Amino acid sequence: AQTVTQSQPEMSVQEAETVTLSCTYDTSESDYYLFWYKQPPSRQMILVIRQEAYKQQNATENRFSVNFQKAAKSFSLKISDSQLGDAAMYFCAYRGETNKLIFGTGTLLAVQP
Amino acid sequence: GAVVSQHPSRVICKSGTSVKIECRSLDFQATTMFWYRQFPKQSLMLMATSNEGSKATYEQGVEKDKFLINHASLTLSTLTVTSAHPEDSSFYICSASRDRGAYGYTFGSGTRLTVV
Repeated sequence: AQTVTQSQPEMSVQEAETVTLSCTYDTSESDYYLFWYKQPPSRQMILVIRQEAYKQQNATENRFSVNFQKAAKSFSLKISDSQLGDAAMYFCAYRGETNKLIFGTGTLLAVQP
Repeated sequence: GAVVSQHPSRVICKSGTSVKIECRSLDFQATTMFWYRQFPKQSLMLMATSNEGSKATYEQGVEKDKFLINHASLTLSTLTVTSAHPEDSSFYICSASRDRGAYGYTFGSGTRLTVV
Protein backbone atom coordinates (compact mmCIF):
# COMPACT_ATOMS: atom_id res chain seq x y z
CA ALA A 1 0.00 0.00 0.00
CA GLN A 2 1.10 3.53 -0.66
CA THR A 3 1.99 5.82 2.22
CA VAL A 4 2.77 9.51 2.48
CA THR A 5 4.86 10.89 5.31
CA GLN A 6 5.25 14.48 6.44
CA SER A 7 7.81 14.63 9.23
CA GLN A 8 7.27 18.25 10.20
CA PRO A 9 4.07 18.73 12.21
CA GLU A 10 4.68 22.48 12.46
CA MET A 11 6.88 25.02 10.74
CA SER A 12 7.35 28.75 11.09
CA VAL A 13 8.71 31.32 8.66
CA GLN A 14 9.22 35.06 8.68
CA GLU A 15 7.26 37.09 6.19
CA ALA A 16 9.17 37.47 2.88
CA GLU A 17 11.48 34.56 3.73
CA THR A 18 11.62 31.10 2.17
CA VAL A 19 10.46 27.87 3.75
CA THR A 20 10.61 24.24 2.63
CA LEU A 21 8.09 21.61 3.68
CA SER A 22 9.16 17.98 3.48
CA CYS A 23 7.26 14.99 2.13
CA THR A 24 8.29 11.42 1.42
CA TYR A 25 6.20 8.64 0.01
CA ASP A 26 6.38 4.94 -0.55
CA THR A 27 5.05 3.16 -3.62
CA SER A 28 5.81 0.38 -6.02
CA GLU A 29 3.84 1.98 -8.83
CA SER A 30 5.59 3.63 -11.74
CA ASP A 31 2.81 5.95 -12.88
CA TYR A 32 1.51 8.40 -10.29
CA TYR A 33 0.94 12.04 -9.45
CA LEU A 34 1.92 14.06 -6.42
CA PHE A 35 0.19 17.12 -5.07
CA TRP A 36 0.45 19.74 -2.39
CA TYR A 37 -2.80 21.03 -0.96
CA LYS A 38 -3.34 23.97 1.33
CA GLN A 39 -6.05 24.04 3.98
CA PRO A 40 -6.52 27.49 5.56
CA PRO A 41 -8.66 28.01 8.68
CA SER A 42 -11.76 27.98 6.48
CA ARG A 43 -10.91 24.29 5.90
CA GLN A 44 -11.40 24.62 2.15
CA MET A 45 -8.85 22.40 0.39
CA ILE A 46 -6.91 24.33 -2.25
CA LEU A 47 -4.59 22.76 -4.80
CA VAL A 48 -1.18 24.42 -4.64
CA ILE A 49 0.90 22.44 -7.12
CA ARG A 50 1.05 19.09 -8.89
CA GLN A 51 3.85 16.92 -10.25
CA GLU A 52 3.67 14.06 -12.72
CA ALA A 53 6.03 11.25 -11.79
CA TYR A 54 7.21 10.71 -15.35
CA LYS A 55 8.38 14.31 -15.64
CA GLN A 56 11.85 15.07 -14.35
CA GLN A 57 11.37 18.80 -14.40
CA ASN A 58 10.23 20.22 -11.08
CA ALA A 59 6.85 21.94 -11.13
CA THR A 60 6.57 25.63 -10.27
CA GLU A 61 3.58 27.87 -9.67
CA ASN A 62 4.56 31.47 -9.00
CA ARG A 63 6.10 31.50 -5.48
CA PHE A 64 5.61 27.76 -5.03
CA SER A 65 7.98 25.15 -6.36
CA VAL A 66 8.77 21.53 -5.66
CA ASN A 67 11.90 19.46 -5.42
CA PHE A 68 10.91 16.08 -6.81
CA GLN A 69 13.45 13.33 -6.23
CA LYS A 70 11.87 10.22 -7.69
CA ALA A 71 14.58 7.75 -6.71
CA ALA A 72 14.52 8.99 -3.14
CA LYS A 73 10.70 9.21 -3.20
CA SER A 74 10.86 12.73 -1.92
CA PHE A 75 8.57 15.64 -2.84
CA SER A 76 9.28 18.84 -0.93
CA LEU A 77 7.48 22.16 -1.33
CA LYS A 78 9.36 25.46 -1.33
CA ILE A 79 7.47 28.66 -0.64
CA SER A 80 9.38 31.79 -1.58
CA ASP A 81 8.66 35.33 -0.38
CA SER A 82 6.26 33.99 2.24
CA GLN A 83 3.11 35.99 2.81
CA LEU A 84 0.74 36.13 5.76
CA GLY A 85 -1.90 34.46 3.60
CA ASP A 86 0.31 31.42 3.21
CA ALA A 87 -0.37 30.46 6.82
CA ALA A 88 -2.30 27.20 6.68
CA MET A 89 -2.08 23.46 6.99
CA TYR A 90 -0.26 21.93 4.04
CA PHE A 91 -0.90 18.38 2.93
CA CYS A 92 1.21 16.32 0.58
CA ALA A 93 -0.86 13.85 -1.43
CA TYR A 94 -0.33 10.88 -3.72
CA ARG A 95 -2.58 9.71 -6.53
CA GLY A 96 -1.75 6.33 -8.03
CA GLU A 97 -3.34 3.75 -10.21
CA THR A 98 -6.50 3.49 -8.10
CA ASN A 99 -7.17 7.22 -8.60
CA LYS A 100 -7.57 7.63 -4.85
CA LEU A 101 -5.86 10.56 -3.21
CA ILE A 102 -3.78 9.57 -0.19
CA PHE A 103 -2.77 12.33 2.19
CA GLY A 104 0.13 12.83 4.52
CA THR A 105 -0.42 13.95 8.10
CA GLY A 106 0.06 17.61 7.28
CA THR A 107 2.37 20.45 8.26
CA LEU A 108 0.98 23.51 10.00
CA LEU A 109 2.76 26.58 8.64
CA ALA A 110 2.83 29.79 10.62
CA VAL A 111 3.99 33.03 8.99
CA GLN A 112 5.44 35.62 11.36
CA PRO A 113 5.05 39.32 10.44
CA GLY B 1 -14.03 25.66 -13.82
CA ALA B 2 -14.23 22.51 -11.67
CA VAL B 3 -16.47 23.64 -8.84
CA VAL B 4 -17.77 21.24 -6.21
CA SER B 5 -20.62 22.33 -3.97
CA GLN B 6 -21.27 20.63 -0.64
CA HIS B 7 -24.31 21.11 1.59
CA PRO B 8 -25.03 21.68 4.35
CA SER B 9 -21.94 23.42 5.72
CA ARG B 10 -23.02 22.77 9.29
CA VAL B 11 -25.58 20.46 10.80
CA ILE B 12 -26.55 19.54 14.33
CA CYS B 13 -28.64 16.44 14.86
CA LYS B 14 -29.84 14.33 17.74
CA SER B 15 -28.46 10.91 18.51
CA GLY B 16 -30.28 8.20 16.64
CA THR B 17 -31.35 10.33 13.71
CA SER B 18 -29.97 10.31 10.17
CA VAL B 19 -28.27 13.12 8.32
CA LYS B 20 -27.75 13.50 4.58
CA ILE B 21 -24.86 15.45 3.07
CA GLU B 22 -24.89 16.38 -0.62
CA CYS B 23 -21.93 16.81 -2.93
CA ARG B 24 -22.47 18.28 -6.39
CA SER B 25 -20.10 18.90 -9.26
CA LEU B 26 -21.46 22.12 -10.75
CA ASP B 27 -19.68 22.46 -14.06
CA PHE B 28 -18.45 18.98 -14.90
CA GLN B 29 -19.52 15.38 -14.77
CA ALA B 30 -17.90 13.22 -12.14
CA THR B 31 -18.19 9.47 -12.51
CA THR B 32 -16.25 9.13 -9.29
CA MET B 33 -16.41 11.16 -6.11
CA PHE B 34 -14.65 10.60 -2.82
CA TRP B 35 -15.76 11.10 0.76
CA TYR B 36 -13.33 12.00 3.52
CA ARG B 37 -13.54 12.47 7.23
CA GLN B 38 -11.28 14.87 9.09
CA PHE B 39 -10.82 15.14 12.83
CA PRO B 40 -9.51 18.38 14.35
CA LYS B 41 -5.87 19.05 13.48
CA GLN B 42 -5.60 15.77 11.63
CA SER B 43 -5.36 14.66 8.06
CA LEU B 44 -8.14 13.65 5.70
CA MET B 45 -9.10 10.01 6.00
CA LEU B 46 -10.64 8.47 2.91
CA MET B 47 -13.93 6.81 3.79
CA ALA B 48 -15.24 5.63 0.45
CA THR B 49 -15.22 5.99 -3.29
CA SER B 50 -18.58 6.87 -4.77
CA ASN B 51 -19.17 5.43 -8.24
CA GLU B 52 -21.99 6.70 -10.45
CA GLY B 53 -24.53 3.97 -11.10
CA SER B 54 -22.90 1.37 -8.91
CA LYS B 55 -22.17 0.58 -5.31
CA ALA B 56 -19.69 2.62 -3.36
CA THR B 57 -16.35 1.15 -2.41
CA TYR B 58 -15.58 1.54 1.29
CA GLU B 59 -12.18 1.71 2.90
CA GLN B 60 -11.27 -0.84 5.50
CA GLY B 61 -12.81 -0.12 8.87
CA VAL B 62 -15.61 2.10 7.53
CA GLU B 63 -19.09 0.82 8.33
CA LYS B 64 -21.03 0.75 5.08
CA ASP B 65 -24.35 0.41 6.87
CA LYS B 66 -23.70 3.53 8.91
CA PHE B 67 -22.32 5.66 6.09
CA LEU B 68 -24.63 5.17 3.12
CA ILE B 69 -23.39 6.57 -0.15
CA ASN B 70 -25.52 7.08 -3.22
CA HIS B 71 -24.22 8.38 -6.53
CA ALA B 72 -27.40 8.59 -8.55
CA SER B 73 -26.21 10.95 -11.25
CA LEU B 74 -22.99 12.17 -12.80
CA THR B 75 -23.15 15.36 -10.74
CA LEU B 76 -24.49 14.28 -7.36
CA SER B 77 -23.28 12.03 -4.59
CA THR B 78 -24.84 11.86 -1.15
CA LEU B 79 -23.53 10.61 2.16
CA THR B 80 -26.10 9.63 4.76
CA VAL B 81 -24.96 9.11 8.32
CA THR B 82 -27.52 6.72 9.76
CA SER B 83 -28.42 6.37 13.44
CA ALA B 84 -25.91 9.04 14.29
CA HIS B 85 -23.96 8.94 17.53
CA PRO B 86 -21.79 11.61 19.16
CA GLU B 87 -18.66 9.79 17.97
CA ASP B 88 -19.81 10.44 14.39
CA SER B 89 -19.31 14.14 15.00
CA SER B 90 -16.63 15.25 12.58
CA PHE B 91 -15.83 17.26 9.47
CA TYR B 92 -16.84 15.50 6.26
CA ILE B 93 -15.44 16.54 2.88
CA CYS B 94 -16.20 15.35 -0.62
CA SER B 95 -14.04 15.65 -3.70
CA ALA B 96 -14.33 15.02 -7.41
CA SER B 97 -12.29 15.25 -10.56
CA ARG B 98 -13.14 15.67 -14.21
CA ASP B 99 -10.02 13.84 -15.31
CA ARG B 100 -9.67 10.94 -12.87
CA GLY B 101 -7.41 13.02 -10.69
CA ALA B 102 -4.53 13.58 -13.04
CA TYR B 103 -4.83 17.34 -12.65
CA GLY B 104 -5.92 17.23 -9.06
CA TYR B 105 -9.17 16.95 -7.24
CA THR B 106 -11.62 19.69 -6.41
CA PHE B 107 -13.00 19.64 -2.90
CA GLY B 108 -16.28 20.71 -1.46
CA SER B 109 -16.24 23.21 1.38
CA GLY B 110 -16.99 20.49 3.92
CA THR B 111 -19.74 19.73 6.40
CA ARG B 112 -19.30 20.03 10.14
CA LEU B 113 -21.54 17.43 11.75
CA THR B 114 -22.33 17.65 15.43
CA VAL B 115 -24.37 14.89 17.04
CA VAL B 116 -25.90 15.76 20.40
